[in-house]
Amino acid sequence: AQSVAQPEDQVNVAEGNPLTVKCTYSVSGNPYLFWYVQYPNRGLQFLLKYITGDNLVKGSYGFEAEFNKSQTSFHLKKPSALVSDSALYFCAVRDRGQDSNYQLIWGAGTKLIIKP
Amino acid sequence: KAGVTQTPRYLIKTRGQQVTLSCSPISGHRSVSWYQQTPGQGLQFLFEYFSETQRNKGNFPGRFSGRQFSNSRSEMNVSTLELGDSALYLCASSRTLRDDTEAFFGQGTRLTVV
Repeated sequence: AQSVAQPEDQVNVAEGNPLTVKCTYSVSGNPYLFWYVQYPNRGLQFLLKYITGDNLVKGSYGFEAEFNKSQTSFHLKKPSALVSDSALYFCAVRDRGQDSNYQLIWGAGTKLIIKP
Repeated sequence: KAGVTQTPRYLIKTRGQQVTLSCSPISGHRSVSWYQQTPGQGLQFLFEYFSETQRNKGNFPGRFSGRQFSNSRSEMNVSTLELGDSALYLCASSRTLRDDTEAFFGQGTRLTVV
């Protein structure tokens, strides 16, 4: 069965430091992988995705994510955190090629807090 | 290009009542998905519609239902409301059903059941 794990409920980072939000997944085939961000009282906004090709994916707001097939991970990263990056981050996966269960599977979310 | 529009933004209902939420997808998008978001359960998939047909369904009781109209607008209905139905209900639209493109979310409808 497909699944997504975000092992950290909360990540605290000082402003200016690099940040990493972790995501691991389990699918039977090749995955489509996504990161979304949710600011307070808002819907989710797309950040970036991995479909195929280069394992390092660059997205919005300076974020990037690295796809690691052997570790089944898709960690979100940013070289220098901003206070405005504080939000709830969701990882999601879709199992490519599955006819009957192609819905997005979501992680539980990680709250990112950037301290000034 | 207008985004995904959900109405109303906020609702307060009494236990036992029913409620209908509306979602207008981005123009040209034919797939609409619904999610329930709660602090304890995270983002839970309700159902997905494409071309007026329900194509996928999550593990929710039959009190939760939905439909999609020919213009791709979608509604979801919750009957016999329970206190545990209090949540943020999110709608997302995509260009097609099985697509590697991202989903676009509305701001959600905050439902409070008292």
